[in-house]
Amino acid sequence: DAGVIQSPRHEVTEMGQEVTLRCKPISGHNSLFWYRQTMMRGLELLIYFNNNVPIDDSGMPEDRFSAKMPNASFSTLKIQPSEPRDSAVYFCASSPRTSANTGELFFGEGSRLTVL
Amino acid sequence: KQEVTQIPAALSVPEGENLVLNCSFTDSAIYNLQWFRQDPGKGLTSLLLIQSSQREQTSGRLNASLDKSSGRSTLYIAASQPGDSATYLCAVVSSNTGKLIFGQGTTLQVKP
Repeated sequence: DAGVIQSPRHEVTEMGQEVTLRCKPISGHNSLFWYRQTMMRGLELLIYFNNNVPIDDSGMPEDRFSAKMPNASFSTLKIQPSEPRDSAVYFCASSPRTSANTGELFFGEGSRLTVL
Repeated sequence: KQEVTQIPAALSVPEGENLVLNCSFTDSAIYNLQWFRQDPGKGLTSLLLIQSSQREQTSGRLNASLDKSSGRSTLYIAASQPGDSATYLCAVVSSNTGKLIFGQGTTLQVKP
């Protein structure tokens, strides 16, 4: 298996533009997680899905952020409009279990976002 | 609120040394604890997963222990090599929220 695949790997955009990050989880995994990593705050959970259904989005910082999982093999994280403080590395992870309480997490290589 | 702390934030050792990385968490109500490795510009790679009922896990030169009652875990790396240089993060799954909470990581440099 190719692992968790994220795109784009790098994105530079201007403030106010829409940003869409994409994730393909490992085939057969039931859970998908979106994390954000910054130097100041470390790794923060934004949202996670079980069987394509959003379970907890309490980590989503603002209404400007939205995430979807239309099927078991694809998820998007959208920021509209983007702001400089959104600059970070966004990670997608998947797990073979329906919750993280027993399953190991497998991470993608991340999408590095820079908002000018 | 569960908080995870890793000390030290950075560590530099000569090649061949055995070393211990520390992780502490404030709430002992956890499902499991995971240790991850992160190389610069890369994602996280899972190293070891310890379920709450377990005391330790081993993989090659790595050994992770868990003392849930005291809220502590250690990652022991034997005979360190330059290739072990990376940031090591621990994370716990809180029983209350089901969320994986990360520490800030320890950045390890192993000098040849």
